[in-house]
Amino acid sequence: RKEVEQDPGPFNVPEGATVAFNCTYSNSASQSFFWYRQDCRKEPKLLMSVYSSGNEDGRFTAQLNRASQYISLLIRDSKLSDSATYLCVVNTNSGYSTLTFGKGTMLLVSP
Amino acid sequence: GAGVSQSPSNKVTEKGKDVELRCDPISGHTALYWYRQSLGQGLEFLIYFQGNSAPDKSGLPSDRFSAERTGGSVSTLTIQRTQQEDSAVYLCASSLGLAGEGAWNEQFFGPGTRLTVL
Repeated sequence: RKEVEQDPGPFNVPEGATVAFNCTYSNSASQSFFWYRQDCRKEPKLLMSVYSSGNEDGRFTAQLNRASQYISLLIRDSKLSDSATYLCVVNTNSGYSTLTFGKGTMLLVSP
Repeated sequence: GAGVSQSPSNKVTEKGKDVELRCDPISGHTALYWYRQSLGQGLEFLIYFQGNSAPDKSGLPSDRFSAERTGGSVSTLTIQRTQQEDSAVYLCASSLGLAGEGAWNEQFFGPGTRLTVL
């Protein structure tokens, strides 16, 4: 089983749609969780951290279920500029951070 | 301020040649990481430097790969006797490297070096 698994997509949605990405991780000792965004031929950039209580940043909502080892990202009111690959990222080490990346889910938002 | 920079941005080489990839981390960041991303694949961890500690080399795929970090700043990733399967984008990231339980250090990525081995 891969350490971090994501649906590769692509997810094709119209502007204004709500889209959800799911991710599962295999290491129950994982400490921290994140969503990164990677535009085509660009480097990954941190989108948001994921907290146990769930957290929201504008149109983006992240959820964590430690019991199920499951992370989600919800994007509401999709914009064309949201088109990118969304990477689920897990940090298994406490303190110093060595990240394990999922392969990413591609999102394409069309007019 | 300046972000992480990498050079060259693109490198085309012939199978069997050695290549060196350079990374300049953000000033003040003590932690430096190398990853590679092959077409259609996720980021694969290669090596991690933290201050003066011995690097974590657990991700290096073979002994043809090595990296050093001089003076706690600039890092060079060297691939000897390159193979076609080494073709990928090599990404460098840096972070503050703060220690402690639960400490999270956001990793900032450079633009990467796209390596093509013919």
